[in-house]
Amino acid sequence: GAGVSQTPSNKVTEKGKYVELRCDPISGHTALYWYRQSLGQGPEFLIYFQGTGAADDSGLPNDRFFAVRPEGSVSTLKIQRTERGDSAVYLCASSLTVTSGGTGELFFGEGSRLTVL
Amino acid sequence: QQQVKQSPQSLIVQKGGISIINCAYENTAFDYFPWYQQFPGKGPALLIAIRPDVSEKKEGRFTISFNKSAKQFSLHIMDSQPGDSATYFCAASGNNFNKFYFGSGTKLNVKP
Repeated sequence: GAGVSQTPSNKVTEKGKYVELRCDPISGHTALYWYRQSLGQGPEFLIYFQGTGAADDSGLPNDRFFAVRPEGSVSTLKIQRTERGDSAVYLCASSLTVTSGGTGELFFGEGSRLTVL
Repeated sequence: QQQVKQSPQSLIVQKGGISIINCAYENTAFDYFPWYQQFPGKGPALLIAIRPDVSEKKEGRFTISFNKSAKQFSLHIMDSQPGDSATYFCAASGNNFNKFYFGSGTKLNVKP
């Protein structure tokens, strides 16, 4: 498809388990973002990738959260030792960079809803 | 500390009316101010955006008003329609688009 694809769309796990969430950005978009959206709240920044490298990971809440983008396309958000407070919708967005003619528009996927029991 | 403050939290408007949502920011380094629209179960989608060098931008029924000195901006939806019922988020970013700060959202309900 032409849009940002996120899998799984829903994930239910038990406290303490490990979770991986995948994002497949729009082809050609070198900028990739992860955001977390809690119920009734706006998206909260987690991490920004420029190509393969994490240009800004200042939003990752603690060392249980980690994200990779090894080939500059697909990204995986990894959460270790999940806690109930991690329950949220995890949104991925991609965009063109400024140098590639980007205007700042973020293209979001539909999100992965994580529920930690 | 919330970088972008948005109000109201919810809004009910009659069909054909004007919907107004307000946002305020503190960081003068912000250089780009978009509004996103989100329907239930979907990701946010860009509606309209403005840079601080203009005071107003209009696209169809949607208008952003920007007040640089007051560090405030607002979204106006003219002739509101039931199909506009969604949650709206304001946001702000620096000119490198590395990080976007979103408001807490306004749930708009347009009654037929």
